[in-house]
Amino acid sequence: NAGVTQTPKFQVLKTGQSMTLQCAQDMNHEYMSWYRQDPGMGLRLIHYSVGAGITDQGEVPNGYNVSRSTTEDFPLRLLSAAPSQTSVYFCASSPPGGTEAFFGQGTRLTVV
Amino acid sequence: AQSVTQLDSHVSVSEGTPVLLRCNYSSSYSPSLFWYVQHPNKGLQLLLKYTSAATLVKGINGFEAEFKKSETSFHLTKPSAHMSDAAEYFCVVRDWMEYGNKLVFGAGTILRVKS
Repeated sequence: NAGVTQTPKFQVLKTGQSMTLQCAQDMNHEYMSWYRQDPGMGLRLIHYSVGAGITDQGEVPNGYNVSRSTTEDFPLRLLSAAPSQTSVYFCASSPPGGTEAFFGQGTRLTVV
Repeated sequence: AQSVTQLDSHVSVSEGTPVLLRCNYSSSYSPSLFWYVQHPNKGLQLLLKYTSAATLVKGINGFEAEFKKSETSFHLTKPSAHMSDAAEYFCVVRDWMEYGNKLVFGAGTILRVKS
């Protein structure tokens, strides 16, 4: 059981480039979410999804897009990377009605 | 909206001495509270969770936390620190949503353990 898998683990982008951070879970969880982690700020919610075809914004959604075509996958897209998006990104999933979230290992993104 | 405040950004203890990481929460109803740990360059691991059962919650690696409603606190403790406990710890509250599981994180406490 792999749990939540994020790829890539590390990425360097130039300002203005686009990319997609991948997240997949094999636990059949309906709820998935993306967080970013910045020093001294904990983790902040970017976008979340309560099931295939349903997504919504979190507290810091600007500059990011998501889609959820399957239960397993929840990719995060940066359309035009900016240095302010330099951060560590975590994907998480939860079962229906569950209180615990399962996190991936994170993607460390640097935008230069 | 729910929120958590971690009262110390850094805590330093000697190996073998007790650990106390402080967390206060704000919630308009009975909260679900968690402590997560993150070792350097690693993901997040759940230490323990409180979901309105026993107020004293035991977690992994000898950690425990006590839910005190009157003080709106959920402090994390361990009787004797080990070098391997050096990490960043996050106090987390579940924010109510009709669906799903939104977690609100504190800013984190970095625990340093001295030999």
